[in-house]
Amino acid sequence: DVKVTQSSRYLVKRTGEKVFLECVQDMDHENMFWYRQDPGLGLRLIYFSYDVKMKEKGDIPEGYSVSREKKERFSLILESASTNQTSMYLCASSLLDRDYEQYFGPGTRLTVT
Amino acid sequence: GESVGLHLPTLSVQEGDNSIINCAYSNSASDYFIWYKQESGKGPQFIIDIRSNMDKRQGQRVTVLLNKTVKHLSLQIAATQPGDSAVYFCAENSFMDTGRRALTFGSGTRLQVQP
Repeated sequence: DVKVTQSSRYLVKRTGEKVFLECVQDMDHENMFWYRQDPGLGLRLIYFSYDVKMKEKGDIPEGYSVSREKKERFSLILESASTNQTSMYLCASSLLDRDYEQYFGPGTRLTVT
Repeated sequence: GESVGLHLPTLSVQEGDNSIINCAYSNSASDYFIWYKQESGKGPQFIIDIRSNMDKRQGQRVTVLLNKTVKHLSLQIAATQPGDSAVYFCAENSFMDTGRRALTFGSGTRLQVQP
């Protein structure tokens, strides 16, 4: 059974803190993605990666960075968390040539106070 | 990316009835259209896709229709069951400025199945 896991289901951080969200997939997928999900806005792409050490900006990269040092792991970093980054963060992965069929993790609900 | 939108935020149907969830898109260059299902507390799950050169595709109890003339996409669920209760997202797979493809999701429709 395919699996995408995220390091935390719930996370509470203070404004200004550096936050790391980790994602691991066991399907040997080339592509990995980070989205944020907010009510009424659907899923918005933050960053994605199609290979180790490769990354591309999505629609809303401001305030975020990513790291992909190993194929199975994709990290989202909030350099200095702000209250407007309170959201549900979803990680996904896919095969390189089936980028429309993405497998999602359960999400991390991040609250920044 | 360009917008992908939905006509109705909530759809309530009786168990056993057929459900139709609609979606409008605006990017004529999209080459794939996809439907995802998100159950409470879980990440979205891929249901079915349709290529832009098709107008209909059937899966198990689901049918997706694509009308490129009016830029409309629909998901039909036959004999809706309680397990179909979820939020459904349409998405389009289109090219970014870098040449890579990415999904643009709509805002979702909640399907509620009444017993």
